[in-house]
Amino acid sequence: AQTVTQSQPEMSVQEAETVTLSCTYDTSENNYYLFWYKQPPSRQMILVIRQEAYKQQNATENRFSVNFQKAAKSFSLKISDSQLGDTAMYFCAFMKNFGNEKLTFGTGTRLTIIP
Amino acid sequence: GAVVSQHPSWVICKSGTSVKIECRSLDFQATTMFWYRQFPKQSLMLMATSNEGSKATYEQGVEKDKFLINHASLTLSTLTVTSAHPEDSSFYICSAGDSHYEQYFGPGTRLTVT
Repeated sequence: AQTVTQSQPEMSVQEAETVTLSCTYDTSENNYYLFWYKQPPSRQMILVIRQEAYKQQNATENRFSVNFQKAAKSFSLKISDSQLGDTAMYFCAFMKNFGNEKLTFGTGTRLTIIP
Repeated sequence: GAVVSQHPSWVICKSGTSVKIECRSLDFQATTMFWYRQFPKQSLMLMATSNEGSKATYEQGVEKDKFLINHASLTLSTLTVTSAHPEDSSFYICSAGDSHYEQYFGPGTRLTVT
């Protein structure tokens, strides 16, 4: 079974600063996908970024980037130039293999951006 | 992007009654839908995986006779909480897979059992 661990229950950072959220996972699979989801107060789950395990290049989406270390089973999210709208719960998630597989979520990190 | 809706967005029911929550994929066909439960300030816990035209696969510890899941078409899955009790009060979220590696989440349903 897969497990996902987020060791930072809460974080806060000043607006415009950079923040990194940590995530580690455990799996015996070789092919898998990793995701970061954002859940704002509305509670709508929003995909922030995804990483295919077979790709060595770290994924980036505008201000969001990941540091994927496959051997260490680490998948951290960096948010640059943080904005007030980034305030939310952030969940790291694992999906085995490909297509219609279930997501395994970490416990989440509550991020607060301070004006 | 793909859109998933849920209805109702919130519901209050009396203890002992049943309540049905609908999850629809609006602009794509979803062969697989997932139902999650989320308690306040906690993560999403997968309850069951629903495949169109077949029985749902429940996670360990989830009572399948209490949480009835039906996936009758490629765009609709329903979760029925039977004989609801206050401890069933929670936030229920569905997601739909588009046969690739992405899942699209519904906005969630807040259930309160009095």
